[in-house]
Amino acid sequence: QSALTQPASVSGSPGQSITISCTGTSSDVGGYNYVFWYQQHPGKAPKLMIYDVTNRPSGVSNRFSGSKSGNTASLTISGLQAEDEADYFCSSYTSSTPVLFGGGTKLTVL
Amino acid sequence: QVQLQESGPGLVKPSQTLSLTCSVSGGSISSGAYYWSWIRRPAGKGLEWIGRIYTSGRTKYNPSLNSRVTISVDTSKKQFSLRLTSVTASDAAVYYCARDVAGTGFLDYWGQGTLVTVSS
Repeated sequence: QSALTQPASVSGSPGQSITISCTGTSSDVGGYNYVFWYQQHPGKAPKLMIYDVTNRPSGVSNRFSGSKSGNTASLTISGLQAEDEADYFCSSYTSSTPVLFGGGTKLTVL
Repeated sequence: QVQLQESGPGLVKPSQTLSLTCSVSGGSISSGAYYWSWIRRPAGKGLEWIGRIYTSGRTKYNPSLNSRVTISVDTSKKQFSLRLTSVTASDAAVYYCARDVAGTGFLDYWGQGTLVTVSS
């Protein structure tokens, strides 16, 4: 089963907004509202940022938001800050396995 | 506050078996609400889900690793474990354990990760 498709890298300046896409199929992203986004800083464990497509766990900034259209989910970060520079991974529940990750996107804050 | 901590050898020889344990504190490993998962990240690559176990012992594995993976749980010790047989260089990675809420892939608590190198 192939990984979900994410852009390898995105960049933005402080204060700007960026969007990271996560494309799958009707057997995963498009078929379930179980899409998650994780942030990972170097040497640290991944941190859950968005669950069930649009929901933020307690303590996660409201600058992070999630959405989905068809087989593509998106993570938007508004008011970009230097501390947002990290790797971001999407994941989805699928018809064959509970967890399928995207390839990851490196966010650079210019 | 739930905490997870991985432990095990940091160096494994090719063709041998990788064994890691995840210790859970600050919460119950026996709660029916949670599944317990293993994930890895090879250097320079993305995350890969390895598999999970429910407190009943029911397991689900990544099909790409299915024949080599075993996950077990010891609720009395509040631990769950990973065994990966016949390792090769491609199994070198940082291995994480994590808690999955409701088995949908909602990984809310993670261990800090442990680096496993495969070398003779």
